[in-house]
Amino acid sequence: NAGVMQNPRHLVRRRGQEARLRCSPMKGHSHVYWYRQLPEEGLKFMVYLQKENIIDESGMPKERFSAEFPKEGPSILRIQQVVRGDSAAYFCASSRGTQGNTIYFGEGSWLTVV
Amino acid sequence: EDKVVQSPLSLVVHEGDTVTLNCSYEVTNFRSLLWYKQEKKAPTFLFMLTSSGIEKKSGRLSSILDKKELFSILNITATQTGDSAVYLCAVNQGSQGNLIFGKGTKLSVKP
Repeated sequence: NAGVMQNPRHLVRRRGQEARLRCSPMKGHSHVYWYRQLPEEGLKFMVYLQKENIIDESGMPKERFSAEFPKEGPSILRIQQVVRGDSAAYFCASSRGTQGNTIYFGEGSWLTVV
Repeated sequence: EDKVVQSPLSLVVHEGDTVTLNCSYEVTNFRSLLWYKQEKKAPTFLFMLTSSGIEKKSGRLSSILDKKELFSILNITATQTGDSAVYLCAVNQGSQGNLIFGKGTKLSVKP
């Protein structure tokens, strides 16, 4: 049973480019979460999605960031017009549900903006 | 503001020592507390605690929750160099399932 799969693992973008990060949840999981970890900081919640729906995006910056979890295919976190401050590790996590269900993390996507 | 505070921020011990990591929290709608181990990659799930006073144990690791005093501890006995990692505490609050993380405790175990 594969875990949460993220790609790419490492991504380098120039300022102003777009970054797309993909996440396939664990088999049987329909809830996906994205977290960001800045250097020397803890993980910060960004967005919570179920299939085709954004449930909670309270942690996501209002501009340049968007997320989706289509009916078919992986969840995608999209960052437009990246800036240096977007450099971070982006972790995806998934769970079977929300009530007492463990949340499992992927290995992360490390974004570097140069 | 909801928050999770871990202490100490870093800790250096020698193999064989016993360590206790602390996590205190203030959240509006507590559901569960989780511990993860992070070694420069995916946080790996260790424990989920929902009830006070019930110790969860896995090998040399154990954890307990005190919902009255709003804290949890993670104990590691007979530490090994492979225990070196950042240990993350997170609280699941509300119905949406998102986690509020502490900044972590960086544990270094010297041979």
